[in-house]
Amino acid sequence: AQSVTQLGSHVSVSEGALVLLRCNYSSSVPPYLFWYVQYPNQGLQLLLKYTSAATLVKGINGFEAEFKKSETSFHLTKPSAHMSDAAEYFCAVISEEGGSEKLVFGKGTKLTVNP
Amino acid sequence: GAVVSQHPSRVICKSGTSVKIECRSLDFQATTMFWYRQFPKQSLMLMATSNEGSKATYEQGVEKDKFLINHASLTLSTLTVTSAHPEDSSFYICSAGGTYLYGYTFGSGTRLTVV
Repeated sequence: AQSVTQLGSHVSVSEGALVLLRCNYSSSVPPYLFWYVQYPNQGLQLLLKYTSAATLVKGINGFEAEFKKSETSFHLTKPSAHMSDAAEYFCAVISEEGGSEKLVFGKGTKLTVNP
Repeated sequence: GAVVSQHPSRVICKSGTSVKIECRSLDFQATTMFWYRQFPKQSLMLMATSNEGSKATYEQGVEKDKFLINHASLTLSTLTVTSAHPEDSSFYICSAGGTYLYGYTFGSGTRLTVV
């Protein structure tokens, strides 16, 4: 079964600084990868997804992620953090088990943006 | 884009009573919906996969008799927490419309508090 590991449960950056949230996947086949954002007491919003097309994926709100097979990574970045980016971010991968497809999440990274 | 509506957003119930949570796909038909549970400051745990017109598929360790899932139409799935206890208090989130090509759309979640 595929899985993802998010390094760093908490990341703190200053407003305007680079945001880097790390995600490594465990898969023997090309994975389908996602980044989601969750604001307090809300559901998840899709930021971007990798589906084996371009390795550099651009998402909403200025976020992007690069798929690196050699590093089994799919890190999320944003050049300049805004206060509104403060939220919980989840990396996820499609896992196929028993003939069914399901989304498996990492443990999440809480992003704090300091003024 | 695909919209998933989840209701109620918050519910408080007494121990021993049952609570029903609804998940609706507003502008598309969903043959499959997913129910997740999220503990405070933790990731999402898949509870079950809801299949229209057939029995739900529960993940290992999830009590089928405790968490009843009904997917009677292509736009509605319900999760009923039966004989709720304080340990059932959690954030429940549904998702629908999922494929690896289009990502998965999530509801806004339901905060259940059992007193």
